[in-house]
Amino acid sequence: NAGVTQTPKFRVLKTGQSMTLLCAQDMNHEYMYWYRQDPGMGLRLIHYSVGEGTTAKGEVPDGYNVSRLKKQNFLLGLESAAPSQTSVYFCASSYQGGSAGTSQPQHFGDGTRLSIL
Amino acid sequence: TQLLEQSPQFLSIQEGENLTVYCNSSSVFSSLQWYRQEPGEGPVLLVTVVTGGEVKKLKRLTFQFGDARKDSSLHITAAQTGDTGLYLCAGERTGNQFYFGTGTSLTVIP
Repeated sequence: NAGVTQTPKFRVLKTGQSMTLLCAQDMNHEYMYWYRQDPGMGLRLIHYSVGEGTTAKGEVPDGYNVSRLKKQNFLLGLESAAPSQTSVYFCASSYQGGSAGTSQPQHFGDGTRLSIL
Repeated sequence: TQLLEQSPQFLSIQEGENLTVYCNSSSVFSSLQWYRQEPGEGPVLLVTVVTGGEVKKLKRLTFQFGDARKDSSLHITAAQTGDTGLYLCAGERTGNQFYFGTGTSLTVIP
């Protein structure tokens, strides 16, 4: 059981280049999330999706776009990469949340380390 | 500014010692999760607390949710080298959005 798989694991880009990060989960989870992790700042939510075909903005959405065309996949795109987007990107998925206070555990991938020169 | 502040940011202790990590906010959360992250891996859930004042124990780890659901603490008794890692709290707001704390990096020295 692979869980959450992120590709690629490492990437170096030049400023202005574009790329797409892929997240795939095999747990039939409804919810999927993209976070970035920077030193001293924990994880910050970029975008998330509560189901196939739906997406929503998180805390730090600027400069990123996402798509959820299939339930098992969640793509994160950088249209014009900037050095400020150098970070470690994590994808996570969870079962559909219930009412407030019944949060489901998030299952994380192992991250994509992205450097933008 | 982060919605959730964790303290301390770094902690280095000897094996066998006790420690407490704090997760504080001025906002109310419907639930709060604690994760541990190893280098090169994603965070892994340790526990979820839901009710104000709730205390949960996981072997040598004790988690408490504040009465007002704005803060939480993690206490480790008799730390072991296997406890080394980055500890993250995450508070849930409406719409299943999670706000992560700044993290506490724990090193347990043999």
